[in-house]
Amino acid sequence: GAVVSQHPSRVICKSGTSVKIECRSLDFQATTMFWYRQFPKKSLMLMATSNEGSKATYEQGVEKDKFLINHASLTLSTLTVTSAHPEDSSFYICSARPTGTSGGRYGYEQYFGPGTRLTVT
Amino acid sequence: SQKIEQNSEALNIQEGKTATLTCNYTNYSPAYLQWYRQDPGRGPVFLLLIRENEKEKRKERLKVTFDTTLKQSLFHITASQPADSATYLCALDRNAGNNRKLIWGLGTSLAVNP
Repeated sequence: GAVVSQHPSRVICKSGTSVKIECRSLDFQATTMFWYRQFPKKSLMLMATSNEGSKATYEQGVEKDKFLINHASLTLSTLTVTSAHPEDSSFYICSARPTGTSGGRYGYEQYFGPGTRLTVT
Repeated sequence: SQKIEQNSEALNIQEGKTATLTCNYTNYSPAYLQWYRQDPGRGPVFLLLIRENEKEKRKERLKVTFDTTLKQSLFHITASQPADSATYLCALDRNAGNNRKLIWGLGTSLAVNP
């Protein structure tokens, strides 16, 4: 159980184009999803927290107009990298927190997708 | 700011031995701490969560301890196998209003040699 899928797994695009990455929770509902990026030999960097039916909360330094997040249903969140540039090339990973876990003092785990390798040429 | 340190050097051990990985943190008192496994080119996989009022938690061959005085967590894999070779990430919660978030360590690479 607790499977998260991401699509595509790998994408190459030209500079200036936009790329959409989908994150789906397959066997559970997720009110909250998270988008991370990871550079080689670096820790996971949280980009934004996506809440179903509301605007995403972006981390400091992350351009919300460049990284558009839509969490339209309890099982799907999308990240669109607009006007991509080579410096946007990275490994993007989403995770989902099952609905019903309080996220309070008792904590909760996150279930991650397999990641999307974006290369902008 | 909060800082998490994990063994920066790769850990190489012989199959069958116990692997012990360390996670130290500063400037924070997390309510809970988590350990994940990450294989190359893949997303992390949740392993264990331990809360501030728990000293130890076990799951099959895995054991995690949490010492809030030392600000340290130890992650043990007993009877290690080559299939345990991966990078292991430590993460702490950071309460940020209505959205709890995790702060991540860089991870420790473990290689179990047959």
